[in-house]
Amino acid sequence: EEQLVESGGGLVQPGGSLRLSCAASGFTVSSNYMSWVRQAPGKGLEWVSVLYSGGSTYYADSVKGRFTISRDNSKNTLFLQMNSLRAEDTAVYYCARDISLDVWGQGTTVTVSS
Amino acid sequence: SYELTQPPSVSVSPGQTASITCSGGQLGDKYAYWYQQKPGQSPVLVIYQDRRRPSGIPERFSGSNSGNTATLTISGTQPMDEADYYCLAWDSSTGVFGGGTKLTVL
Repeated sequence: EEQLVESGGGLVQPGGSLRLSCAASGFTVSSNYMSWVRQAPGKGLEWVSVLYSGGSTYYADSVKGRFTISRDNSKNTLFLQMNSLRAEDTAVYYCARDISLDVWGQGTTVTVSS
Repeated sequence: SYELTQPPSVSVSPGQTASITCSGGQLGDKYAYWYQQKPGQSPVLVIYQDRRRPSGIPERFSGSNSGNTATLTISGTQPMDEADYYCLAWDSSTGVFGGGTKLTVL
């Protein structure tokens, strides 16, 4: 069964950093487009970033220069390094597979607050 | 930047047909994707590449995309279909979601 499991969320102060992980099973992360999507409390879905199988990366304007998407092929895991965090980054963060976002994790909650 | 617009809410009676639209410039030239999200759950893909259904998605879900508008249609809507629905398109290698539509079945 194809599955994604996110981890690494938590409470962080404004200006702080956090690294999210997304462990995949049942398929190979490096062979797929992999995205991060977030959802602020009570709000809609917001696409954050994508890592192509070839290694290219793209970001939403709201996180460009602050967030970095990467993967560890040996661990079959996707990451999202989040720096200079702001209150507006508070959200549930999901990882998802493929350009169609056909497989989603359960999400991990990031709260940015002093 | 590219934007997708959805109606905030749609209401439908059980057994009737619900249509949820998603509008964006030249959207018909891109693929549209649709997701269903129920409270407290992760989104689920219900339509990909405009009109294709993933395995396990009921046949009552269908999609179309032409001009500036993509449409998700749910025929014979059931109470279990009550959820938030989001459209997605890719523009210049970045993903763009619509604002979401709350479907109420009453």
